Amino acid sequence: DAKTTQPPSMDCAEGRAANLPCNHSTISGNEYVYWYRQIHSQGPQYIIHGLKNNETNEMASLIITEDRKSSTLILPHATLRDTAVYYCIVSRRNQAGTALIFGKGTTLSVSS
Amino acid sequence: GAVVSQHPSRVICKSGTSVKIECRSLDFQATTMFWYRQFPKKSLMLMATSNEGSKATYEQGVEKDKFLINHASLTLSTLTVTSAHPEDSSFYICSASGTSIHNEQFFGPGTRLTVL
Repeated sequence: DAKTTQPPSMDCAEGRAANLPCNHSTISGNEYVYWYRQIHSQGPQYIIHGLKNNETNEMASLIITEDRKSSTLILPHATLRDTAVYYCIVSRRNQAGTALIFGKGTTLSVSS
Repeated sequence: GAVVSQHPSRVICKSGTSVKIECRSLDFQATTMFWYRQFPKKSLMLMATSNEGSKATYEQGVEKDKFLINHASLTLSTLTVTSAHPEDSSFYICSASGTSIHNEQFFGPGTRLTVL
């Protein structure tokens, strides 16, 4: 699977938008971009995924560049409960037996 | 979404004993389950991949005789840490996928193992 690069940490004020970048310059045409987050001492939580088009759900928005070499996860109105480690993962979707490989992620700290 | 549970959520054991951790898919059939380990302030590291009814595939550096994985049914996989030592203390997390949920992966809440 292609590797991803994320900043190790970011800060965000409560109520503001949190924009988390991810570089995946070697992504293949059939690989999706997944975002998970992990709150301290819990299992990873799925946030969103996308292939080419921008995606939005109740948790976040995902903006993928036209060349697909980078993406940005947007939490529109960050709250204290959004403090977590955010992982950007590139993987072929729905391939049986393919594990998700986690990098170091970005530690997002939301403060009041 | 699909739900994956783990039991126990935390366990403390003495050095030299064995510990079994269960991973269950509650509302779908998990044809594949994955076991991860996470040390403090580190990312998740894949330990092994197990398909229902067959032997698990272990990642390089993971001892198969120490970390026994059984995936005997479509809703249950177990990880047994044999002859546990303090260095095995870690956060163990499973994930599951299945054709009934389009092979998307869902993670359990994790099991905190402390070996004294």
